[in-house]
Amino acid sequence: DIQMTQSPSSLSASVGDRVTITCRASQPISNFLHWYQQRPGKAPKLLIYAVSSLQSGVPSRFSGSGSGTDFTLTISSLQPEDFATYYCQQSFTTLLAFGGGTKVEIK
Amino acid sequence: QVQVVESGGGVVQPGRSLRLSCAPSGFAFSNYGMHWVRQAPGKGLEWVAVISYDGSNKYYADSVKGRFTISRDNSKNTLSLQMNSLRAEDTAVYYCAKEFLGWGAFDIWGQGTMVTVSS
Repeated sequence: DIQMTQSPSSLSASVGDRVTITCRASQPISNFLHWYQQRPGKAPKLLIYAVSSLQSGVPSRFSGSGSGTDFTLTISSLQPEDFATYYCQQSFTTLLAFGGGTKVEIK
Repeated sequence: QVQVVESGGGVVQPGRSLRLSCAPSGFAFSNYGMHWVRQAPGKGLEWVAVISYDGSNKYYADSVKGRFTISRDNSKNTLSLQMNSLRAEDTAVYYCAKEFLGWGAFDIWGQGTMVTVSS
């Protein structure tokens, strides 16, 4: 099974900061890597699919990059509504897997 | 609008069974793979199971294989998760999720239904 490791597990940042979250797969997963945002008490929301494709309606301050086993989610200028937990997810294999999550908190 | 709504959660004793349902609307249900994803209290997301658009293929996480069964009825627009031999570690919010364009990502999620396994 493919394991997904996110880092950091949490971070503190201020409004306007540039934030980067990393996700590493235990083996190459091509471009089958997706990112979600989850606010407290809410269902996850798809932000980016296929490494770098922005889901409809998602602000352009969110971007994704990477290849092979190493991937990155970047928020170019953190907004108040972006304080949430972010998850990566691989779909290269039929047994799907999420990363452990990165909680973005207000500094 | 496009949505899925889960139901069937509750409190159940260890070893007992529970059946979750998901009611989709606003999209052509029979065209999409559907998944169950769960989240234990205070923990991260865990993928549970997937069923292909026509019900011909089903896959399960190792943690539930042999105990849970995913099914769908395209004529009735329903998705189900039959959970047998429940354990305390199955306690979680269970989300139904629609697959996005065959990518294995999830673009539509329900609000979730809570399952608590406790004596």
